[in-house]
Amino acid sequence: RKEVEQDPGPFNVPEGATVAFNCTYSNSASQSFFWYRQDCRKEPKLLMSVYSSGNEDGRFTAQLNRASQYISLLIRDSKLSDSATYLCVVNWGTGGTSYGKLTFGQGTILTVHP
Amino acid sequence: NAGVTQTPKFRILKIGQSMTLQCTQDMNHNYMYWYRQDPGMGLKLIYYSVGAGITDKGEVPNGYNVSRSTTEDFPLRLELAAPSQTSVYFCASTDPRGGRGQPQHFGDGTRLSIL
Repeated sequence: RKEVEQDPGPFNVPEGATVAFNCTYSNSASQSFFWYRQDCRKEPKLLMSVYSSGNEDGRFTAQLNRASQYISLLIRDSKLSDSATYLCVVNWGTGGTSYGKLTFGQGTILTVHP
Repeated sequence: NAGVTQTPKFRILKIGQSMTLQCTQDMNHNYMYWYRQDPGMGLKLIYYSVGAGITDKGEVPNGYNVSRSTTEDFPLRLELAAPSQTSVYFCASTDPRGGRGQPQHFGDGTRLSIL
């Protein structure tokens, strides 16, 4: 089983649609959770951290279910500029030299069309 | 503000050649990382460093070496290039003092082809 597994996609949605991405992780000791965005042939950039209580940033909502080891990202009112690959990222480091060792999912490609 | 700078951006190597991928950051981050990303895949950690003089292996270290003589620089060395090392290489850094929620800042990447 992969340490971090995402919906394979790709997702093709019209502008204005709501789209949800799912992610599961295998290490129950995981400490921190993130969604990164990666544009074509570019570097990954942090989209948002994911907190246990769930969190929202504009049109983006992230949820975490520690019991099920499941993370989600919801994008409302999709824009053309949302087209990118979305990477689910987990940090299971408990401190010391393991801190900051991120494990990336394979990414889910989103294409928003007019 | 330059952030994380990688050089070169593109390189083609012949099998058996060696090269060093350069990475430098100007944010005074102690933690630095090297990843590779194969087509359609997520990033895999090659090596990382928590400070000058300290390095450790990540998930896929075979065929690579690193050094960290200064806080700013974290070069990645390929000694005997193999076709399996064709990939996009990303360097990243972070400041652990801000807690676990701190993002990793990535360079633009180096696209390496081994022929």
